[in-house]
Amino acid sequence: GDSVTQMEGPVTLSEEAFLTINCTYTATGYPSLFWYVQYPGEGLQLLLKATKADDKGSNKGFEATYRKETTSFHLEKGSVQVSDSAVYFCATEGSGGSYIPTFGRGTSLIVHP
Amino acid sequence: EPEVTQTPSHQVTQMGQEVILRCVPISNHLYFYWYRQILGQKVEFLVSFYNNEISEKSEIFDDQFSVERPDGSNFTLKIRSTKLEDSAMYFCASSEWASGPTYNEQFFGPGTRLTVL
Repeated sequence: GDSVTQMEGPVTLSEEAFLTINCTYTATGYPSLFWYVQYPGEGLQLLLKATKADDKGSNKGFEATYRKETTSFHLEKGSVQVSDSAVYFCATEGSGGSYIPTFGRGTSLIVHP
Repeated sequence: EPEVTQTPSHQVTQMGQEVILRCVPISNHLYFYWYRQILGQKVEFLVSFYNNEISEKSEIFDDQFSVERPDGSNFTLKIRSTKLEDSAMYFCASSEWASGPTYNEQFFGPGTRLTVL
């Protein structure tokens, strides 16, 4: 079945540092790919998505590019803020007729002032 | 902005007891979901629900689990006889439509942390 592997956290950065959170996936075909974010005390929110190879999803300064060759969808941000501290989940769209997403474990990001 | 709410935020129970986790989906949404995340592991799909029926379920969702929409607003997950391994964060989600062929965004609640002693 489908699976998603994310880098383990926590990732600890200083404000304005560059962020990369790695995500690789295995899936049948070419599913849509997603990043969700969970801020403290809140539910998971869709941060960005990409629906086909070479697409770049972007939102709130975050970007991720759908790389079919490396089956990756790494999340990047050029300059993180304290308010970006959250847990980030990579996910693939379901396959085989199911559109239920498959999630990774989540990566905790802590940004210090 | 409409949001999915879940109660309680933390539930502690003894092994073998029944628990009911509650969710209030976004009011105009028609599709409802439960997921769980055991500490340190992946977020796993449990079940989806539409028109008062289960539309899809995973292998995890065995006879110990049930879901219900008892009224026009609540969506509940019941675990009949809890086991230690049921300890996890349980997330409820809802979406306006079902996904297919394109993904329809699911909106998640903040989760209920279930601790089974």
